[in-house]
Amino acid sequence: QVQLVQSGAEVKKPGASVRVSCKASGYTFSTYTIHWVRQAPGQRLEWMGWINTGSGKTKYSQAFQGRLTFTRDTSADTAYMELSSLRSEDTAMFYCARESPGTFYFKTWGQGTLVTVSS
Amino acid sequence: QSVLTQPPSVSGAPGQRVTISCTGSSSNIGAGYDVHWYQQLPGIAPKLLIYGNNNRPSGVPDRFSGSKSGTSASLAITGLQAEDEAHYYCQSYDIGLSGSRVFGGGTRLTVL
Repeated sequence: QVQLVQSGAEVKKPGASVRVSCKASGYTFSTYTIHWVRQAPGQRLEWMGWINTGSGKTKYSQAFQGRLTFTRDTSADTAYMELSSLRSEDTAMFYCARESPGTFYFKTWGQGTLVTVSS
Repeated sequence: QSVLTQPPSVSGAPGQRVTISCTGSSSNIGAGYDVHWYQQLPGIAPKLLIYGNNNRPSGVPDRFSGSKSGTSASLAITGLQAEDEAHYYCQSYDIGLSGSRVFGGGTRLTVL
């Protein structure tokens, strides 16, 4: 079955970077766009951007411009999200989600990765 | 501040019908883009509940339905059950933000 499995929880100090992975299985990885969504504790879902896993093209939400990098490794069927210059407000659950071409919705989600930023 | 506006909370007794609204603008819902709904239980990733305004993925009970009109959309839940207690989020596409996906602020449903 279609699955997205994310890497484990991380604890980082302010100013550091974090990289979260999202491994896909059960489908052809390069035919679906992967999006990333942030959810601070008790807060709403916040769209971060996407990566076209076929071409590698990316789009980032303006809220994260300059701090966010999406990459993918097609040989490992894995997408990555790296957020730099972490601050306490970045403490959140990060989700990857799969979007079918032209649909603009997310049918499959990863289980989430908790990133805690604390000195 | 969310691009799509939802009420923070709604409540209803078991068996009742509740609706959750989602108000957008001319750059998203009003531009003709579909609205999708997600259910999020505590501590769990969101689950697609309604896609394309009024379509249910397989496995979603027909107690859940969606509609869209103008710059707004609604999620209706009939025959409310205790297990429906969760957060619900609407989501769409926004052309004004260069093709961003946008979420509502979320609505907490309490089953009394």
